[in-house]
Amino acid sequence: DAGVIQSPRHEVTEMGQEVTLRCKPISGHNSLFWYRQTMMRGLELLIYFNNNVPIDDSGMPEDRFSAKMPNASFSTLKIQPSEPRDSAVYFCASSPADPEAFFGQGTRLTVV
Amino acid sequence: AQSVTQPDIHITVSEGASLELRCNYSYGATPYLFWYVQSPGQGLQLLLKYFSGDTLVQGIKGFEAEFKRSQSSFNLRKPSVHWSDAAEYFCAVVPYNFNKFYFGSGTKLNVKP
Repeated sequence: DAGVIQSPRHEVTEMGQEVTLRCKPISGHNSLFWYRQTMMRGLELLIYFNNNVPIDDSGMPEDRFSAKMPNASFSTLKIQPSEPRDSAVYFCASSPADPEAFFGQGTRLTVV
Repeated sequence: AQSVTQPDIHITVSEGASLELRCNYSYGATPYLFWYVQSPGQGLQLLLKYFSGDTLVQGIKGFEAEFKRSQSSFNLRKPSVHWSDAAEYFCAVVPYNFNKFYFGSGTKLNVKP
């Protein structure tokens, strides 16, 4: 298996633009997580899906952020409109029934 | 509320020296426990995990960790550090029967030649 695949690896966008980050989890995993990593705040859990259903989105910073998981093999994290303070590395991770998070390589987002 | 504490932000050790990275958690019951490593520009890689049983667990790259219930700790150790171990290390906790990961703030390891 290729592991968790995230795209793009790097994204530079202007303030106010819409940004969509993509994630393909490991086949057979039933949980998916989106994390944000910054120097100031470390690793923050944004949202957690189980069997494609959002279970906990309490970490989503505000209404500008939304996440979807239309099927077991794909998830998106969208920021609209983007702001400079959204600049961070965004990680997707997936987990089988036994908890063990497998992380993607991350998307480095820069909002200018 | 659940919390994970890694009290050391930075640690520097000499190559060949032993290493211990500390992790304490706050949770009512014994959770699942993990250590992850992150190299620059990379995602997090699992080093080892503890679910139950033997409290000393072996991981990849020569790392081990010991669960101490009385101290709510899960410290990571390596007898002899290699230069390639320089990275950031994260302790994580998953409450029992609840698949949500709580990460510590991380410890950056520098290795001196």
